[in-house]
Amino acid sequence: KAGVTQTPRYLIKTRGQQVTLSCSPISGHRSVSWYQQTPGQGLQFLFEYFSETQRNKGNFPGRFSGRQFSNSRSEMNVSTLELGDSALYLCASSLVSELFNSPLHFGNGTRLTVT
Amino acid sequence: KNEVEQSPQNLTAQEGEFITINCSYSVGISALHWLQQHPGGGIVSLFMLSSGKKKHGRLIATINIQEKHSSLHITASHPRDSAVYICAVRFLPNSNSGYALNFGKGTSLLVTP
Repeated sequence: KAGVTQTPRYLIKTRGQQVTLSCSPISGHRSVSWYQQTPGQGLQFLFEYFSETQRNKGNFPGRFSGRQFSNSRSEMNVSTLELGDSALYLCASSLVSELFNSPLHFGNGTRLTVT
Repeated sequence: KNEVEQSPQNLTAQEGEFITINCSYSVGISALHWLQQHPGGGIVSLFMLSSGKKKHGRLIATINIQEKHSSLHITASHPRDSAVYICAVRFLPNSNSGYALNFGKGTSLLVTP
């Protein structure tokens, strides 16, 4: 069974640009959650999507958005990039919504560098 | 603010040693996760627990709900155990963190031959 796949693995963008990251969950998993990891703040929750609906959102500005498609694949978008958005972005999938404490399966992440 | 504290921040051990990593949290939780992150960045979920103790190979995770504390033990440590270990908790729904996972800062473990 294929694991969680994130693309691309690495990305370099300049300030002011926008970026879209993709996450394909394990087959059959309906929940996808996104996390940002930086050296200063560690891991922080961005949002969770379940059955194409955003179920929960972390404390991030509106420049961070996402969506989930009918096949459970998810994308997150960051507009008007800032230097501080440089981070490792991880997604995780689970069978049911995170509210029900299902085990999480993480992807390898997308490393975004903003110059 | 609901918090998750891990200790130690860094740990160096010799191969074969018994290792303990600690995690404490401030308010009631519905679940606690132990995660492992290797230098490449990908995260592997080791355990999810809400009570008692779980064991998988050389890894043991325990949780004491009353004391709001969990430990991750590694027996007979090996250089391939070198990684960052992260504790993450899901606070109860009546907290001000919603149900999102809240993460500790991680413990960087280096096991030398």
